[in-house]
Amino acid sequence: QKEVEQDPGPLSVPEGAIVSLNCTYSNSAFQYFMWYRQYSRKGPELLMYTYSSGNKEDGRFTAQVDKSSKYISLFIRDSQPSDSATYLCAMSAGTGFQKLVFGTGTRLLVSP
Amino acid sequence: GAVVSQHPSWVICKSGTSVKIECRSLDFQATTMFWYRQFPKQSLMLMATSNEGSKATYEQGVEKDKFLINHASLTLSTLTVTSAHPEDSSFYICSARQRPRGEYNEQFFGPGTRLTVL
Repeated sequence: QKEVEQDPGPLSVPEGAIVSLNCTYSNSAFQYFMWYRQYSRKGPELLMYTYSSGNKEDGRFTAQVDKSSKYISLFIRDSQPSDSATYLCAMSAGTGFQKLVFGTGTRLLVSP
Repeated sequence: GAVVSQHPSWVICKSGTSVKIECRSLDFQATTMFWYRQFPKQSLMLMATSNEGSKATYEQGVEKDKFLINHASLTLSTLTVTSAHPEDSSFYICSARQRPRGEYNEQFFGPGTRLTVL
């Protein structure tokens, strides 16, 4: 069993839709939860990070962590074609961003 | 913002040759650099962690004699794939981190290097 599971997609939505991206994990030691966006042939770019359980909002993006269910989500409101990319969840048991464990990434396609 | 570059962006080589990939932090000093490998439709897998001036720490299953890592300065780390074989073909990504300041220790990723071994 992988430590972090993520549906690879692709997930296709029309412009303006609310997008829900999810990851599950098995290691209860994970405390930091990150979402990265990766465009084709580029390195990952940090979108948001959350420590422990709870919600965090940044503009159109909301990250949720439910440690009891070992389940994290990223919601994108009013999705735009420019949001089309691969979204990777990542987790860390250590302080901050030490030794990240990534999901496979979900490819998102937002059509105009 | 913090910028990390990689060179080359892609490389094709013959089986048995060695390939060197450079990772540079352009506007900050990176006390720690990380090397990841990403196979198609798979997640980024950490290969090794290197601290400036120290030997790299390799993850389980990564051959340190095959993947040579040098972090000789605070802005440069190199990964050398020795005697490359087709199964080493992958996307190699580095990330760099400044000296930790409290809880927030973000890694900044390079754009990656696509290696194809014929």
